[in-house]
Amino acid sequence: DIQMTQVPSSLSASVGDRVTITCRASHSFNIYLNWYQHKPGIAPKLLIFATSTLETGVPSRFSGSGSGTVFNLTIFSLHPDDFATYYCQQTSTSPPTFGQGTKVE
Amino acid sequence: QVQLQESGPGLVRPTGTLSLTCTVAGDSIVNSAWWSWVRQPPEKGLEWIGEIFHNGSTNYNPSLKSRLTISIDKPTKEFSLNLKSMTAADSGVYYCARGPEQLAALDCWGQGIQVTVSS
Repeated sequence: DIQMTQVPSSLSASVGDRVTITCRASHSFNIYLNWYQHKPGIAPKLLIFATSTLETGVPSRFSGSGSGTVFNLTIFSLHPDDFATYYCQQTSTSPPTFGQGTKVE
Repeated sequence: QVQLQESGPGLVRPTGTLSLTCTVAGDSIVNSAWWSWVRQPPEKGLEWIGEIFHNGSTNYNPSLKSRLTISIDKPTKEFSLNLKSMTAADSGVYYCARGPEQLAALDCWGQGIQVTVSS
């Protein structure tokens, strides 16, 4: 299995801040890296798929980048609604695997 | 707009079998989508369990494959998970989700159902 490691595991930020979360893979793979937002008691929400493609309806302040073994999720200007836990996921090889999550608080 | 809803028991005895159902509303279950299960143990990250296509084709996580069966019922627009020989390590929140294709990003999720394994 490809192991996904997110850094940091948590971060403290304020409204308006630029936030970057990094996801590192144990093996290099192609572009099938996805990002999700998860709030307690609410269904996880797909933000970005295929490394950099925004899901329909996701604000443009979210951006994904990367290749090989290092991928990033950037929130350019943090909104109050963005305080949540974010997960990366690779779907390049089976089984799909998730990072352990980054809590933005 | 597609909606997914998990249902099933919240408590399972050790060595017992977990049976969960996901009901699909607002979308056909007979299309190009693959229907998935994901779980989250307490204080841990997400774990992909497996997925099924409307023709019954499945992909399973190898770590669970020996205990897992995912099935689909097209007339009722439901798909189900059966996980046998449950232990405390199987406790957590179980989600059903939709992927637009095989082994793809999951673009729609259910709210999740809490499952506790305890005697």
